[in-house]
Amino acid sequence: DGGITQSPKYLFRKEGQNVTLSCEQNLNHDAMYWYRQDPGQGLRLIYYSQIVNDFQKGDIAEGYSVSREKKESFPLTVTSAQKNPTAFYLCATSSWGEAGNTIYFGEGSWLTVV
Amino acid sequence: AQKITQTQPGMFVQEKEAVTLDCTYDTSDQSYGLFWYKQPSSGEMIFLIYQGSYDEQNATEGRYSLNFQKARKSANLVISASQLGDSAMYFCAIERSGGSNYKLTFGKGTLLTVNP
Repeated sequence: DGGITQSPKYLFRKEGQNVTLSCEQNLNHDAMYWYRQDPGQGLRLIYYSQIVNDFQKGDIAEGYSVSREKKESFPLTVTSAQKNPTAFYLCATSSWGEAGNTIYFGEGSWLTVV
Repeated sequence: AQKITQTQPGMFVQEKEAVTLDCTYDTSDQSYGLFWYKQPSSGEMIFLIYQGSYDEQNATEGRYSLNFQKARKSANLVISASQLGDSAMYFCAIERSGGSNYKLTFGKGTLLTVNP
């Protein structure tokens, strides 16, 4: 199936541990994004990448790191420096089409830090 | 900086009736795009409809239409003939068109509940 695959769906980690969330896409989209969503809130941009081996900080990059070694993959590492990591994380990709730069989302990953 | 305001934290509608979800935006860009996404309880974000700032016609996609009033900087989503499956969070978002920064800025969302 074509689409965006995020894993794991649910993840529990102890405070102080780094954790990596996977995002893989087979849509052949150039741009990929990571968003964070807190309960009752909208989405906030963490990092984005428009081409392989290049990425930029979003609005809330502190405590996070990413890599873009392949077009298909954009993993997000939540480091111990992130003060409030418990949240819902959404990966997205985009391409230009009739609807401008439409962004498509994966199903998300729930991270709980205890 | 771009900003989206959704003033309705929650809305209720009867099945088969129409409902309007409000969205106002603030941007200094001349060219921009406006999006609506639906987020069911499962968490995925589903693209619904897009309006470009230079589009003269209001966008429509099936039961969804966008009431775009550029001078008032509003982009309200209208859902006609509501269905129980429309119950979800709805997010309005704005994007700068062109250039190299393809980023969406989201509002805080409106929780729509469709009653039978």
